[in-house]
Amino acid sequence: EVQLVESGGGLVQPGGSLRLSCAASGFIFNNFAMSWVRQAPGKGLEWVSTMIPGGRSTYYADSVKGRFTISRDTSKNTLYLQMNSLRAEDTAVYYCAKATPSTVFDYWGQGTLVTVSS
Amino acid sequence: DIQMTQSPSTLSASVGDRVTITCRASQNIISWLAWYQQKPGKAPKLLIFKSSSLESGVPSRFSGSGSGTEFTLTISSLQPDDFATYYCQQYNSFSLTFGGGTKVEIK
Repeated sequence: EVQLVESGGGLVQPGGSLRLSCAASGFIFNNFAMSWVRQAPGKGLEWVSTMIPGGRSTYYADSVKGRFTISRDTSKNTLYLQMNSLRAEDTAVYYCAKATPSTVFDYWGQGTLVTVSS
Repeated sequence: DIQMTQSPSTLSASVGDRVTITCRASQNIISWLAWYQQKPGKAPKLLIFKSSSLESGVPSRFSGSGSGTEFTLTISSLQPDDFATYYCQQYNSFSLTFGGGTKVEIK
Protein backbone atom coordinates (compact mmCIF):
# COMPACT_ATOMS: atom_id res chain seq x y z
CA GLU A 1 0.00 0.00 0.00
CA VAL A 2 1.37 3.40 -1.00
CA GLN A 3 1.71 5.79 1.92
CA LEU A 4 2.93 9.37 1.99
CA VAL A 5 3.29 11.09 5.35
CA GLU A 6 4.20 14.77 5.51
CA SER A 7 5.70 16.55 8.51
CA GLY A 8 7.47 19.77 9.36
CA GLY A 9 4.68 22.29 9.02
CA GLY A 10 4.02 24.99 11.58
CA LEU A 11 3.97 28.71 12.31
CA VAL A 12 6.87 30.77 10.97
CA GLN A 13 7.49 34.50 10.73
CA PRO A 14 7.72 36.28 7.38
CA GLY A 15 11.24 35.95 6.01
CA GLY A 16 11.79 32.73 7.92
CA SER A 17 12.55 29.20 6.76
CA LEU A 18 10.98 25.79 7.15
CA ARG A 19 11.75 22.31 5.82
CA LEU A 20 8.95 19.92 5.02
CA SER A 21 9.47 16.16 4.83
CA CYS A 22 7.45 13.44 3.15
CA ALA A 23 8.12 9.83 4.15
CA ALA A 24 7.18 7.44 1.35
CA SER A 25 6.48 3.72 1.47
CA GLY A 26 4.80 1.00 -0.56
CA PHE A 27 6.52 1.71 -3.87
CA ILE A 28 10.02 2.00 -5.33
CA PHE A 29 10.67 5.61 -4.36
CA ASN A 30 13.48 6.34 -6.81
CA ASN A 31 11.44 5.15 -9.80
CA PHE A 32 8.83 7.90 -9.65
CA ALA A 33 8.62 11.66 -9.90
CA MET A 34 7.55 13.30 -6.66
CA SER A 35 5.88 16.65 -6.22
CA TRP A 36 4.63 19.23 -3.76
CA VAL A 37 1.20 20.80 -4.24
CA ARG A 38 -0.25 23.44 -1.93
CA GLN A 39 -3.67 24.79 -1.07
CA ALA A 40 -4.17 28.12 0.62
CA PRO A 41 -7.06 28.24 3.12
CA GLY A 42 -10.36 28.15 1.22
CA LYS A 43 -8.59 28.25 -2.15
CA GLY A 44 -7.77 25.89 -4.99
CA LEU A 45 -4.78 23.67 -5.68
CA GLU A 46 -1.43 25.10 -6.76
CA TRP A 47 1.46 22.99 -8.04
CA VAL A 48 4.72 23.98 -6.28
CA SER A 49 7.55 21.72 -7.42
CA THR A 50 8.45 18.37 -9.00
CA MET A 51 11.56 16.23 -8.92
CA ILE A 52 12.04 13.73 -11.74
CA PRO A 53 13.11 10.11 -10.94
CA GLY A 54 16.74 9.84 -10.05
CA GLY A 55 16.81 13.52 -9.06
CA ARG A 56 18.13 14.55 -12.46
CA SER A 57 15.72 17.44 -12.97
CA THR A 58 13.67 19.74 -10.81
CA TYR A 59 10.85 22.12 -11.70
CA TYR A 60 9.31 24.99 -9.75
CA ALA A 61 6.31 27.27 -9.96
CA ASP A 62 7.30 30.87 -10.68
CA SER A 63 5.82 31.88 -7.32
CA VAL A 64 8.45 29.88 -5.39
CA LYS A 65 11.41 29.79 -7.79
CA GLY A 66 14.61 30.89 -6.07
CA ARG A 67 13.10 30.50 -2.60
CA PHE A 68 12.09 26.82 -2.39
CA THR A 69 14.25 23.76 -3.06
CA ILE A 70 12.98 20.23 -3.60
CA SER A 71 15.23 17.28 -2.81
CA ARG A 72 15.05 13.61 -1.98
CA ASP A 73 17.00 11.11 0.12
CA THR A 74 16.59 7.73 -1.52
CA SER A 75 18.23 5.93 1.41
CA LYS A 76 15.40 7.20 3.63
CA ASN A 77 12.64 7.17 0.98
CA THR A 78 11.97 10.77 1.91
CA LEU A 79 11.12 13.87 -0.12
CA TYR A 80 11.92 17.34 1.19
CA LEU A 81 10.90 20.91 0.50
CA GLN A 82 13.23 23.57 1.87
CA MET A 83 11.32 26.84 2.04
CA ASN A 84 13.23 30.08 2.54
CA SER A 85 12.22 33.75 2.54
CA LEU A 86 8.67 32.77 3.42
CA ARG A 87 5.82 35.18 2.74
CA ALA A 88 2.28 35.45 4.04
CA GLU A 89 1.03 34.21 0.67
CA ASP A 90 2.91 30.92 1.21
CA THR A 91 0.43 30.04 3.96
CA ALA A 92 -1.20 26.80 2.85
CA VAL A 93 -1.59 23.10 3.38
CA TYR A 94 1.32 21.46 1.58
CA TYR A 95 0.70 18.06 0.05
CA CYS A 96 3.31 15.59 -1.07
CA ALA A 97 2.21 13.65 -4.14
CA LYS A 98 3.54 10.71 -6.09
CA ALA A 99 3.39 11.22 -9.83
CA THR A 100 2.85 8.80 -12.66
CA PRO A 101 5.40 8.96 -15.52
CA SER A 102 3.17 11.55 -17.17
CA THR A 103 3.01 13.75 -14.05
CA VAL A 104 -0.49 12.91 -12.91
CA PHE A 105 -0.75 12.75 -9.13
CA ASP A 106 -2.00 9.26 -8.25
CA TYR A 107 -1.24 9.25 -4.52
CA TRP A 108 -1.30 12.10 -2.04
CA GLY A 109 -0.28 12.57 1.58
CA GLN A 110 -2.62 13.99 4.20
CA GLY A 111 -0.96 17.42 4.04
CA THR A 112 0.89 19.62 6.51
CA LEU A 113 -0.14 23.19 7.34
CA VAL A 114 2.35 26.02 6.98
CA THR A 115 1.33 29.38 8.45
CA VAL A 116 3.46 32.43 7.74
CA SER A 117 2.54 35.20 10.14
CA SER A 118 4.08 37.58 12.64
CA ASP B 1 1.90 29.27 -18.29
CA ILE B 2 -1.19 27.44 -19.45
CA GLN B 3 -4.33 28.78 -17.75
CA MET B 4 -7.13 26.37 -16.87
CA THR B 5 -10.66 27.74 -16.52
CA GLN B 6 -13.39 25.64 -14.96
CA SER B 7 -17.10 26.28 -15.12
CA PRO B 8 -19.30 26.55 -13.27
CA SER B 9 -17.55 27.43 -10.02
CA THR B 10 -20.50 26.06 -8.05
CA LEU B 11 -23.16 23.61 -9.13
CA SER B 12 -26.31 22.66 -7.20
CA ALA B 13 -27.70 19.24 -8.04
CA SER B 14 -29.80 16.41 -6.66
CA VAL B 15 -29.02 12.74 -6.19
CA GLY B 16 -29.57 10.99 -9.50
CA ASP B 17 -28.86 14.06 -11.65
CA ARG B 18 -26.47 14.01 -14.58
CA VAL B 19 -23.74 16.56 -13.91
CA THR B 20 -21.25 18.07 -16.36
CA ILE B 21 -18.24 20.22 -15.50
CA THR B 22 -16.22 22.02 -18.15
CA CYS B 23 -12.51 22.83 -18.20
CA ARG B 24 -10.92 25.05 -20.85
CA ALA B 25 -7.20 25.39 -21.46
CA SER B 26 -5.60 28.61 -22.73
CA GLN B 27 -3.69 26.61 -25.32
CA ASN B 28 -3.70 23.16 -26.88
CA ILE B 29 -2.91 20.48 -24.29
CA ILE B 30 -3.80 17.58 -26.60
CA SER B 31 -5.30 15.08 -24.11
CA TRP B 32 -2.98 15.74 -21.17
CA LEU B 33 -5.73 16.48 -18.68
CA ALA B 34 -6.61 14.92 -15.33
CA TRP B 35 -9.59 15.31 -12.99
CA TYR B 36 -9.50 15.13 -9.19
CA GLN B 37 -12.15 15.01 -6.48
CA GLN B 38 -11.55 16.67 -3.12
CA LYS B 39 -13.67 16.51 0.01
CA PRO B 40 -13.32 19.00 2.89
CA GLY B 41 -10.21 18.41 4.97
CA LYS B 42 -8.99 15.62 2.69
CA ALA B 43 -6.35 15.26 0.00
CA PRO B 44 -7.47 15.23 -3.63
CA LYS B 45 -8.22 11.91 -5.29
CA LEU B 46 -7.38 11.13 -8.90
CA LEU B 47 -10.45 10.24 -10.96
CA ILE B 48 -9.46 10.50 -14.62
CA PHE B 49 -6.22 10.92 -16.57
CA LYS B 50 -5.40 11.48 -20.23
CA SER B 51 -8.77 13.20 -20.62
CA SER B 52 -10.90 10.04 -20.57
CA SER B 53 -9.03 7.19 -18.84
CA LEU B 54 -10.69 6.11 -15.58
CA GLU B 55 -8.33 5.58 -12.65
CA SER B 56 -8.52 2.11 -11.12
CA GLY B 57 -11.26 1.81 -8.51
CA VAL B 58 -13.18 4.89 -9.62
CA PRO B 59 -16.89 4.21 -10.27
CA SER B 60 -17.94 4.04 -13.90
CA ARG B 61 -20.50 6.83 -13.42
CA PHE B 62 -17.52 9.19 -13.81
CA SER B 63 -16.37 9.86 -17.35
CA GLY B 64 -14.18 12.39 -19.10
CA SER B 65 -13.96 13.63 -22.65
CA GLY B 66 -12.36 16.28 -24.81
CA SER B 67 -9.11 17.21 -26.47
CA GLY B 68 -7.21 20.31 -27.44
CA THR B 69 -8.58 23.09 -25.28
CA GLU B 70 -12.02 21.94 -24.12
CA PHE B 71 -12.74 19.10 -21.73
CA THR B 72 -15.64 17.80 -19.68
CA LEU B 73 -16.15 15.66 -16.60
CA THR B 74 -19.53 13.97 -16.42
CA ILE B 75 -21.14 12.18 -13.50
CA SER B 76 -23.94 10.14 -15.04
CA SER B 77 -26.05 9.75 -11.89
CA LEU B 78 -24.96 11.81 -8.91
CA GLN B 79 -24.57 9.85 -5.67
CA PRO B 80 -24.44 11.18 -2.08
CA ASP B 81 -20.70 10.45 -1.95
CA ASP B 82 -20.08 12.67 -4.99
CA PHE B 83 -20.78 15.99 -3.29
CA ALA B 84 -17.30 17.49 -3.34
CA THR B 85 -15.06 19.91 -5.21
CA TYR B 86 -13.61 18.86 -8.56
CA TYR B 87 -10.40 20.13 -10.15
CA CYS B 88 -8.93 19.71 -13.60
CA GLN B 89 -5.15 19.72 -14.13
CA GLN B 90 -3.10 20.03 -17.28
CA TYR B 91 0.17 18.17 -17.62
CA ASN B 92 1.11 19.07 -21.15
CA SER B 93 4.01 21.15 -19.86
CA PHE B 94 5.65 22.48 -16.74
CA SER B 95 4.38 24.59 -14.99
CA LEU B 96 1.60 22.18 -14.15
CA THR B 97 -1.64 24.05 -13.56
CA PHE B 98 -5.02 23.36 -12.00
CA GLY B 99 -8.40 24.80 -12.70
CA GLY B 100 -10.07 26.91 -10.03
CA GLY B 101 -12.39 24.12 -8.94
CA THR B 102 -16.11 23.30 -9.18
CA LYS B 103 -18.00 22.72 -5.97
CA VAL B 104 -20.90 20.30 -6.39
CA GLU B 105 -23.51 21.05 -3.72
CA ILE B 106 -26.74 19.42 -2.68
CA LYS B 107 -29.76 21.14 -4.20
